[in-house]
Amino acid sequence: KNQVEQSPQSLIILEGKNCTLQCNYTVSPFSNLRWYKQDTGRGPVSLTIMTFSENTKSNGRYTATLDADTKQSSLHITASQLSDSASYICVVYHNNNDMRFGAGTRLTVKP
Amino acid sequence: GAVVSQHPSWVICKSGTSVKIECRSLDFQATTMFWYRQFPKQSLMLMATSNEGSKATYEQGVEKDKFLINHASLTLSTLTVTSAHPEDSSFYICSASPEGWAITIQYFGAGTRLSVL
Repeated sequence: KNQVEQSPQSLIILEGKNCTLQCNYTVSPFSNLRWYKQDTGRGPVSLTIMTFSENTKSNGRYTATLDADTKQSSLHITASQLSDSASYICVVYHNNNDMRFGAGTRLTVKP
Repeated sequence: GAVVSQHPSWVICKSGTSVKIECRSLDFQATTMFWYRQFPKQSLMLMATSNEGSKATYEQGVEKDKFLINHASLTLSTLTVTSAHPEDSSFYICSASPEGWAITIQYFGAGTRLSVL
């Protein structure tokens, strides 16, 4: 069983709408959690990092939350744009030279 | 932000030939580099982790003699796919980190799409 589970697997929304992506993990011990955006045919780009003590962090239209007790994180995208169409990958970092990747959520924003 | 350059971005080769992919950190020293493979609509699969000057650590199921990794300097790592076959066709992505332990940040290259005919 993957230690990082993302949902939904794919999502289609209309431009301008909001959406929330989920990431549940069982990785332990936990160092930090990152959300990456991967455009098709490109490498992932970090959107935000959440450390153990942080609950909410915003980066423009992206807001990430973290509940370290329940081991859940979410990425909320506000006022979606066509350029938000991409795969969003949740990565959980151990307290060592190790990390676990979620399978990603493929978001499609339609006009 | 930190930049990782990966080259080439796309390569087509004949079955049986070898292909080398380069990964360079342009503005920081990459203590640790990672090589990933990604199939369509799937997430990244870690192939190996390398530290400058030492042998790469390969993930289970990844053939060391098939995928040769060299991390000879703090700014360059290479992945050589030896005797490539059509099943090796995939999207290969490298990442680099200035950290050597307790990795908290990776900077990814743009990826290399390998097509083996």
